[in-house]
Amino acid sequence: EPEVTQTPSHQVTQMGQEVILRCVPISNHLYFYWYRQILGQKVEFLVSFYNNEISEKSEIFDDQFSVERPDGSNFTLKIRSTKLEDSAMYFCASIDPGQSLRPQHFGDGTRLSIL
Amino acid sequence: DAKTTQPTSMDCAEGRAANLPCNHSTISGNEYVYWYRQIHSQGPQYIIHGLKNNETNEMASLIITEDRKSSTLILPHATLRDTAVYYCIVSPGNTGKLIFGQGTTLQVKP
Repeated sequence: EPEVTQTPSHQVTQMGQEVILRCVPISNHLYFYWYRQILGQKVEFLVSFYNNEISEKSEIFDDQFSVERPDGSNFTLKIRSTKLEDSAMYFCASIDPGQSLRPQHFGDGTRLSIL
Repeated sequence: DAKTTQPTSMDCAEGRAANLPCNHSTISGNEYVYWYRQIHSQGPQYIIHGLKNNETNEMASLIITEDRKSSTLILPHATLRDTAVYYCIVSPGNTGKLIFGQGTTLQVKP
């Protein structure tokens, strides 16, 4: 079964540095999402992306965050100047709009640790 | 905020049915009930969804009450690998965001 893949599985970064998290959604999927999960807390929506633009974003997704689909396969989340509180699991998800009621398919996440 | 209420945790004996309840008393007519689970710290995994009829797939069954204010996810023969956090989510079933609550931590015991 096709999968959403995320790299790296674990990223350690110094506070203030830029970080890019990468996702390869399932090939025929057209809607893309980023979620995050701080340790011990619930999964939170960050942003949705369709047709090369942001469809919706949460309050968490401030000016330090950006998303991009630089080519036909990758979907990236950039954090411009990381803070300690950005430490979390980041999950990418995608949807096949042709699939009935469109369940979201999630990757296994990138664990981001800010030092 | 999540529109659903679930028990924080449940135990189930291996091989027995696990019945996970969910209250969604404010569900709208166009909203579906989705169930996802998260094993350890992996990404959430889609299980099943329904509108008003009961549904069954290879993973689970979903029973939705007639008034649609609550539902139950049934894992018919729970295994140790079913130990996970189970999330009940109501959504219009379009391409919008999922709003996760705290979910139910199901512990399947030998």
